[in-house]
Amino acid sequence: DAGVIQSPRHEVTEMGQEVTLRCKPISGHDYLFWYRQTMMRGLELLIYFNNNVPIDDSGMPEDRFSAKMPNASFSTLKIQPSEPRDSAVYFCASSLVSVDEQYFGPGTRLTVT
Amino acid sequence: RKEVEQDPGPFNVPEGATVAFNCTYSNSASQSFFWYRQDCRKEPKLLMSVYSSGNEDGRFTAQLNRASQYISLLIRDSKLSDSATYLCVVNENYGQNFVFGPGTRLSVLP
Repeated sequence: DAGVIQSPRHEVTEMGQEVTLRCKPISGHDYLFWYRQTMMRGLELLIYFNNNVPIDDSGMPEDRFSAKMPNASFSTLKIQPSEPRDSAVYFCASSLVSVDEQYFGPGTRLTVT
Repeated sequence: RKEVEQDPGPFNVPEGATVAFNCTYSNSASQSFFWYRQDCRKEPKLLMSVYSSGNEDGRFTAQLNRASQYISLLIRDSKLSDSATYLCVVNENYGQNFVFGPGTRLSVLP
């Protein structure tokens, strides 16, 4: 298996633009997680899905952030409009069961200028 | 109080040293525990799960003390390749909340 795939790996955009991050989980994994990592706040869980259904989005910082999982093999995290404080590394992870090991993708490094 | 706290580090140790990391968690209902390793500019990867009876994997030993809500990681005979950030992870409420600690950075020096 190729592991968790994320795209793009790097994104530089201007404030106010829409940003879409993409994730393909490991085939057969029922759980998908989106995290954000910054130096100041560490690794924060934004939202997670079970069988394509959002279970907990309490970590989503505000209405500018939205996430979807239209099928078992694809998820998106969208920021609209983007702000400089959104600059971070965004990780997608998947797991077989909720209490099991999570496999992380390589991350998307987002810079908003 | 943060949900998961770790030694702030960084730890700078010579090759061959033994180093121990500590982690405390606030939710007594936490169900499962892990240590992850994150190399610079890479994604976190599972190092080992932590079981109630304690567990060992080569040079690495993890301990859990539920009464004190405390987790530890011991690395023996440290190698240059052990240099990384070590993240303590606590899974609360039967999988409803997967919380990462802030991490402890280790540098093993030649």
